[in-house]
Amino acid sequence: ETGVTQSPTHLIKTRGQQVTLRCSSQSGHNTVSWYQQALGQGPQFIFQYYREEENGRGNFPPRFSGLQFPNYSSELNVNALELDDSALYLCASSSRTGGYNEQFFGPGTRLTVL
Amino acid sequence: QKEVEQNSGPLSVPEGAIASLNCTYSDRGSQSFFWYRQYSGKSPELIMSIYSNGDKEDGRFTAQLNKASQYVSLLIRDSQPSDSATYLCAVNVPNDYKLSFGAGTTVTVRA
Repeated sequence: ETGVTQSPTHLIKTRGQQVTLRCSSQSGHNTVSWYQQALGQGPQFIFQYYREEENGRGNFPPRFSGLQFPNYSSELNVNALELDDSALYLCASSSRTGGYNEQFFGPGTRLTVL
Repeated sequence: QKEVEQNSGPLSVPEGAIASLNCTYSDRGSQSFFWYRQYSGKSPELIMSIYSNGDKEDGRFTAQLNKASQYVSLLIRDSQPSDSATYLCAVNVPNDYKLSFGAGTTVTVRA
């Protein structure tokens, strides 16, 4: 069974730039959720993708957007980067069957905005 | 009021002791509860899931759920230095697929 993978591992950008983060879901999973984790905090829900559509969004501005592809992999795009966007970005994979919403995280992408 | 609150750490326990972690949640409709372990610089790892009132045991870990009190806990028995990590409590409400996380409790097991 292949686990959740994310790329890149680390990324350094400057304010105003745009970034794309990628995630491949665990085999057998059809749902991808994205979270932002600031230092010393718990992960904060950004949005979730199911059947290639956004299905639920947290308190994040529209400059955070995403995609899900037919193979269930996903991208997170952030435009007009701000210093406060510096965080660990986590992708979580899950399956809508079963109903218990167990989510399994990838290794994360550490984004630094200078 | 925060959706999910955890007892503030850090929590320091001697090797072999029991570490007790607590979590309360605000949404009475919550039905799924999870504990994640996060080592420094790593991503969260799911270690326990619990859905019904009572206790659930898995190895040295026991999760306890009390929906009436809106309370979930994690006990780590025979604590080992490898248990030193931040433990995150997460809660899910039906038909809302996000997980709401607490800020985490950092546990240090001293040899």
